[in-house]
Amino acid sequence: GQNIDQPTEMTATEGAIVQINCTYQTSGFNGLFWYQQHAGEAPTFLSYNVLDGLEEKGRFSSFLSRSKGYSYLLLKELQMKDSASYLCAVRRGGYNKLIFGAGTRLAVHP
Amino acid sequence: DAEITQSPRHKITETGRQVTLACHQTWNHNNMFWYRQDLGHGLRLIHYSYGVQDTNKGEVSDGYSVSRSNTEDLPLTLESAASSQTSVYFCASSESRGQGYEQYFGPGTRLTVT
Repeated sequence: GQNIDQPTEMTATEGAIVQINCTYQTSGFNGLFWYQQHAGEAPTFLSYNVLDGLEEKGRFSSFLSRSKGYSYLLLKELQMKDSASYLCAVRRGGYNKLIFGAGTRLAVHP
Repeated sequence: DAEITQSPRHKITETGRQVTLACHQTWNHNNMFWYRQDLGHGLRLIHYSYGVQDTNKGEVSDGYSVSRSNTEDLPLTLESAASSQTSVYFCASSESRGQGYEQYFGPGTRLTVT
């Protein structure tokens, strides 16, 4: 079977750093994606990890440990516009078929 | 600019009616996907297609069907709408080769079945 777990909600302060964790149990693992979704909008791509380690892209970084079935998304210098849901998704096999977690709703306050 | 569009954006229908949601992409992607999104469940895969004339069932395919007659379109049909199918529906597309090709999502269709 497959299972992807993320915290349901998180809050953080503008300018701070927040880490959103994702753990997964799935067969045929072939990469992990993070998406951002603002309320009422479509998900948009943030990052992709297939090898262990940290991928950095501006204020956002994503980490993967395949042996532990664990990933995190790190958001630095938080801005109010970062208030959104963050979706963790695991790719199984080829052809980009994704299994999504339920998402983490992040609220950034002044 | 290439894009992926969905229509209608909002739809209210009655139980038992047949409903078709349209998805059109101009990325020339071979892979297309339909998801539904409900509170507490995240995005769940309904059907997907890897190319023309190819369709596959996802994890929540009961009561839904798709057809792929060209590269650009993957319409989703609810054969006999049920209240449990009230949801937000997202269409997505992606490249078909290589790793790391992200899915591009349409704006979504909010469907209410009364």
